[in-house]
Amino acid sequence: KAGVTQTPRYLIKTRGQQVTLSCSPISGHRSVSWYQQTPGQGLQFLFEYFSETQRNKGNFPGRFSGRQFSNSRSEMNVSTLELGDSALYLCASSFPKNQNPDTQYFGPGTRLTVL
Amino acid sequence: DAKTTQPTSMDCAEGRAANLPCNHSTISGNEYVYWYRQIHSQGPQYIIHGLKNNETNEMASLIITEDRKSSTLILPHATLRDTAVYYCIVRVENTGKLIFGQGTTLQVKP
Repeated sequence: KAGVTQTPRYLIKTRGQQVTLSCSPISGHRSVSWYQQTPGQGLQFLFEYFSETQRNKGNFPGRFSGRQFSNSRSEMNVSTLELGDSALYLCASSFPKNQNPDTQYFGPGTRLTVL
Repeated sequence: DAKTTQPTSMDCAEGRAANLPCNHSTISGNEYVYWYRQIHSQGPQYIIHGLKNNETNEMASLIITEDRKSSTLILPHATLRDTAVYYCIVRVENTGKLIFGQGTTLQVKP
């Protein structure tokens, strides 16, 4: 089974621009979560989507948004980029089960650099 | 979600067992203990998880104390490729939100 894929792998933008990152989950997985990783703050949860609905959200400003499509693929968007948005953005997918917590599997990440 | 405490760094000799401790003294009854590792800016890799019983898979063993306030991840025969940051996470079932701490940087030395 193919793993979680993220595109693009690397991206360079300038302040004020916006960016869209894409995540394709493992086949059959319906939940997609996004994380931001920076040297100063570590790994931080952005949001989670399940069946095209956001069901969890972290403490990030409204400039960070996301969506999920009917095929479970997800995109996240960051508008009005700031230097501090430079980070590794990670996507994780899982197949929620009723009784046991579902295990999240991470993609390789998108490295965003804001100049 | 319960907060976890891990040592910042540990060393281990190649071929020896690596025992990584984690404290989660405020864990609730429905919270699972998860371990992930991250090798130099790659995506975190799932290792193992458990609720109250000890668990073992092809990668590692997880020992959870009876009061569930702490756990230990055991890599039975560490190799150089096990050098990574190891994260201990407690997580409420059926939520996609993982709260990562700073983790333990494990350095496996020849």
